[in-house]
Amino acid sequence: EIVMTQTPATLSVSPGERATLSCRASQSVSRKLAWYQQKPGQAPRLLIYGASTRATGVPARFSGSGSGTEFTLTISSLQSEDFAVYYCQHYSNWPLTFGGGTKVEIK
Amino acid sequence: EVQLLESGGALVQPGGSLRLSCAASGFTFSNYGMSWVRQAPGGGPEWLSIIGDTGRVIFYADSVKGRFTISRDNSKNTLYLQMNSLRAEDTAIYYCVKEYNWGDIFFDSWGQGTLVTVSS
Repeated sequence: EIVMTQTPATLSVSPGERATLSCRASQSVSRKLAWYQQKPGQAPRLLIYGASTRATGVPARFSGSGSGTEFTLTISSLQSEDFAVYYCQHYSNWPLTFGGGTKVEIK
Repeated sequence: EVQLLESGGALVQPGGSLRLSCAASGFTFSNYGMSWVRQAPGGGPEWLSIIGDTGRVIFYADSVKGRFTISRDNSKNTLYLQMNSLRAEDTAIYYCVKEYNWGDIFFDSWGQGTLVTVSS
């Protein structure tokens, strides 16, 4: 099983600042990596797939990068609606696994 | 618009059984693999099982293999999860999710979830 590790667990950022979230896979997943955003009381929402492709309707301030075992989600200028928990998920093989999440909170 | 509506969540005693359903609409259900993903209180999502578009291909996570059974009825656009031998650690919100496509199994649509609580 591929273990996905997200850092940091919590990120305190001021509105308008840049946020950088990391996701590490225990073995290579190539670019088969997705990112999701989850707000309280809601289901996760797909943001990024293929490590760097934005899903439909996702603002351009969200960008993904990386390949192999190291991945990054960057939010270029945090808006109030971006404060949430973010999860990565690999889809390289079975079982599919998610990271433990990074909570982006208001500083 | 894709809609996934789960039902069947409840409070159940350890060792009990429950069947979850997911009614799908807004897309051609029979063309897509479907999964169940759960999320324990305060935890991250956990993928449980996937069923291919025709129902012939099925995979399970080790945590539920032998206890849970995924199935689908394409004539009713409905996905199911039969859960047996339930344990306290199965307590979670259970989401029905749609895959992007079979070669790229990430989830582009999620239901609102149904809560399963396993407790005596």
